Amino acid sequence: DAMVIQNPRYQVTQFGKPVTLSCSQTLNHNVMYWYQQKSSQAPKLLFHYYDKDFNNEADTPDNFQSRRPNTSFCFLDIRSPGLGDAAMYLCATSREGGGYYGYTFGSGTRLTVV
Amino acid sequence: GENVEQHPSTLSVQEGDSAVIKCTYSDSASNYFPWYKQELGKRPQLIIDIRSNVGEKKDQRIAVTLNKTAKHFSLHITETQPEDSAVYFCATNFGNEKLTFGTGTRLTIIP
Repeated sequence: DAMVIQNPRYQVTQFGKPVTLSCSQTLNHNVMYWYQQKSSQAPKLLFHYYDKDFNNEADTPDNFQSRRPNTSFCFLDIRSPGLGDAAMYLCATSREGGGYYGYTFGSGTRLTVV
Repeated sequence: GENVEQHPSTLSVQEGDSAVIKCTYSDSASNYFPWYKQELGKRPQLIIDIRSNVGEKKDQRIAVTLNKTAKHFSLHITETQPEDSAVYFCATNFGNEKLTFGTGTRLTIIP
């Protein structure tokens, strides 16, 4: 009974070709986060939504965008993927702010750029 | 800035021995300190957490200690087992709604 679902698990995209990763949740959590994780490094926050409020990290490249059409779904759009964008992308959710209650992570999408 | 340092980066211990991983943080506003375990190719999973009003918390073989004055917190795993082998991440919130993660510790349990 997966509660935070990421699709696809593996995504291969061409250099420069736009790609969208999706995340859905059945927890009805207010907050949804997108993290980028490269080969056993710490997850790095790209941005998060608190309800409909979008919060971008200062060092997130403009190449990365996000949409949250409703409570359950959140999308990560990479407009022009480069080789350096190959990574695991983790979606996480939390009620009322994961800074106080912790996160539930999805299984991640491993992105390969060729 | 908001910084979490985690040590050691790799740790090998004999099965049955104890393992300790330590994190230091830069901002006294932090009030929530979770630890996540990530097995190869899998999602990080919360294993234990502690809030700033508590100095120690234990759950079976796992414990976390917090020293607010020194701004550090530690994960203790006793009677280690092969299934404890994983990458462990500490995290903290710097008083806000998002978590900043440490750099991770690869723990290997030697049978």
